[in-house]
Amino acid sequence: EAQVTQNPRYLITVTGKKLTVTCSQNMNHEYMSWYRQDPGLGLRQIYYSMNVEVTDKGDVPEGYKVSRKEKRNFPLILESPSPNQTSLYFCASSFFRDRGYNEQFFGPGTRLTVL
Amino acid sequence: AQSVTQLGSHVSVSEGALVLLRCNYSSSVPPYLFWYVQYPNQGLQLLLKYTSAATLVKGINGFEAEFKKSETSFHLTKPSAHMSDAAEYFCAVSDPTGAGNMLTFGGGTRLMVKP
Repeated sequence: EAQVTQNPRYLITVTGKKLTVTCSQNMNHEYMSWYRQDPGLGLRQIYYSMNVEVTDKGDVPEGYKVSRKEKRNFPLILESPSPNQTSLYFCASSFFRDRGYNEQFFGPGTRLTVL
Repeated sequence: AQSVTQLGSHVSVSEGALVLLRCNYSSSVPPYLFWYVQYPNQGLQLLLKYTSAATLVKGINGFEAEFKKSETSFHLTKPSAHMSDAAEYFCAVSDPTGAGNMLTFGGGTRLMVKP
């Protein structure tokens, strides 16, 4: 089954304790992206990657890191989480073309609480 | 820069009534437009998309949306609401002249369906 998977689905942690949220896709997509969802703000892009070893900042990158060492995986790293990073996080992937429409497929989400 | 405004963060309708969810966009070029649905505890699922073909777009589950350039709108409608339509709905815009993967989302509208 074609899908985007995220782990963990739920995470409660404390301020300053490093954490990683994993994302994996099995559709051979070049493009992968992380979003955070907050009430009333919709989804905002954190980081994206157009291919292996190519990453770039989205609209709200502060406090986050990413890496893309393999095509299928795109982990999100919070080196020193703070309470304002409490949010619902989504990973998405798609094929990449220079122009045109590319449907993004979303993972099930990771609900993160930072105390 | 692109932006999306969804009027009404919460919309309540009775079962069988018309569903109308509003979306207005701002874009310097004719955009691609999308509606996504998010059911409780799930990721986002594409409902329908406008990519410069027919201005009236039909999607899944009986939803449709009409692209109106003069009004910069892409409102989502369904003639008769069903209890299973209760979910959060997101309008999103993409610039077809850029990398076709960058999505800008509206703040979302939570649809409640009363029996």
